[in-house]
Amino acid sequence: EVQLVESGGGLVQPGRSLKLSCAASGFTFSNYYMAWVRQAPKKGLEWVATISTSGSRTYYPDSVKGRFTISRDNAKSSLYLQMNSLKSEDTATYYCARQEEQLRTFDYWGQGVMVTVSS
Amino acid sequence: DVLMTQTPVSLPVSLGGQVSISCRSSQSLVHSDGNTYLHWYLQKPGQSPQLLIYRVSNRFSGVPDRFSGSGSGTDFTLKISRVEPEDLGVYYCLQSTHFPWTFGGGTKLELK
Repeated sequence: EVQLVESGGGLVQPGRSLKLSCAASGFTFSNYYMAWVRQAPKKGLEWVATISTSGSRTYYPDSVKGRFTISRDNAKSSLYLQMNSLKSEDTATYYCARQEEQLRTFDYWGQGVMVTVSS
Repeated sequence: DVLMTQTPVSLPVSLGGQVSISCRSSQSLVHSDGNTYLHWYLQKPGQSPQLLIYRVSNRFSGVPDRFSGSGSGTDFTLKISRVEPEDLGVYYCLQSTHFPWTFGGGTKLELK
């Protein structure tokens, strides 16, 4: 059974940093692209970042490019999201998702972790 | 960015009934490889999204055949027949043909 468990969320002040983690199990982690998707309170979904199987390629939308960094440790089956220069509009539930590259979609999602950016 | 417009925003339904959700894109979702990368998700209350349909019309593992997807180009539809209580929640379409990948705003399926 595919399992994705996020951690590291919490309350952070604007301009500060936070690092999210996602522990994966139930599949061969190194064979899959991975991604982060977020959902602001009572809002829709927004893709935040994607990383290739080896970690050599990363992709971001303009809204987070230059502030967020996605990374992975295949030996630990773990995915990370380093978030710097946080803004109030980054307040959201962040989901770790497995990205099926042939289908170009997110086929399994974690339960999500809440990040609140506020002074 | 590709704008994904879902209608309606809210969709009242009776159990056992049939409904359709529309998703329209601001540009064609046909990829240069010939595939159309339009997918559907359901987010049940208090849960994370779950994949229902991938590449327009393919049901994901375990998804009942009450769910069907269709469409092409810029116009897509998700149909749900014989609606059951576990089908209630918010439905999202996702396009992954063009970067950045973008979601529709969501359609809330709720009981009449």
